[in-house]
Amino acid sequence: GENVEQHPSTLSVQEGDSAVIKCTYSDSASNYFPWYKQELGKRPQLIIDIRSNVGEKKDQRIAVTLNKTAKHFSLHITETQPEDSAVYFCENYGGATNKLIFGTGTLLAVQP
Amino acid sequence: NAGVTQTPKFRILKIGQSMTLQCTQDMNHNYMYWYRQDPGMGLKLIYYSVGAGITDKGEVPNGYNVSRSTTEDFPLRLELAAPSQTSVYFCASSLRTVMNNSPLHFGNGTRLTVT
Repeated sequence: GENVEQHPSTLSVQEGDSAVIKCTYSDSASNYFPWYKQELGKRPQLIIDIRSNVGEKKDQRIAVTLNKTAKHFSLHITETQPEDSAVYFCENYGGATNKLIFGTGTLLAVQP
Repeated sequence: NAGVTQTPKFRILKIGQSMTLQCTQDMNHNYMYWYRQDPGMGLKLIYYSVGAGITDKGEVPNGYNVSRSTTEDFPLRLELAAPSQTSVYFCASSLRTVMNNSPLHFGNGTRLTVT
């Protein structure tokens, strides 16, 4: 069945550094790739998404890149700030099964 | 729009009790989902629905039941609460079509403790 692998599980960076989180998926029919941020005690919320007809999308300090051939997509955060500290989840939609599958999450800690 | 509304926010149950977690959305989304999230862990899919009258199991459906009689509402039922069901429960919805997917909108969650 479909699965999603997300790495790393934890990431600690210094304020101002960049952070990269990667997800690898198996469903070749996937065409939508969102990333969610979950702050402590709160609900996950969409921060950026990309569709399969583009390779990269950027929104200020965050960007998502997609490699459909290799079946992976990555979240890039530049100039990290303490408020970026959270858990980040990728999501993959199994088109054949209608099921949404989340990555296992990455705990990002930005050290001031 | 209120988005996705979950009630209650908190609940403590005794072992063997039953309860229903309510979820309603006002965005006319066709897809609705129930996830549970254990402390420090990821999101596990319990049940989902692709439209009114249609439900299906996710990764961890045992001990739960759902119904989808309307587009707006997707309640989650726990019949015989067990300590293993202590978790935070998130309801979510999205609009999905054959050609287009959209992101999930989450409710604020229900924190359930079973003792």
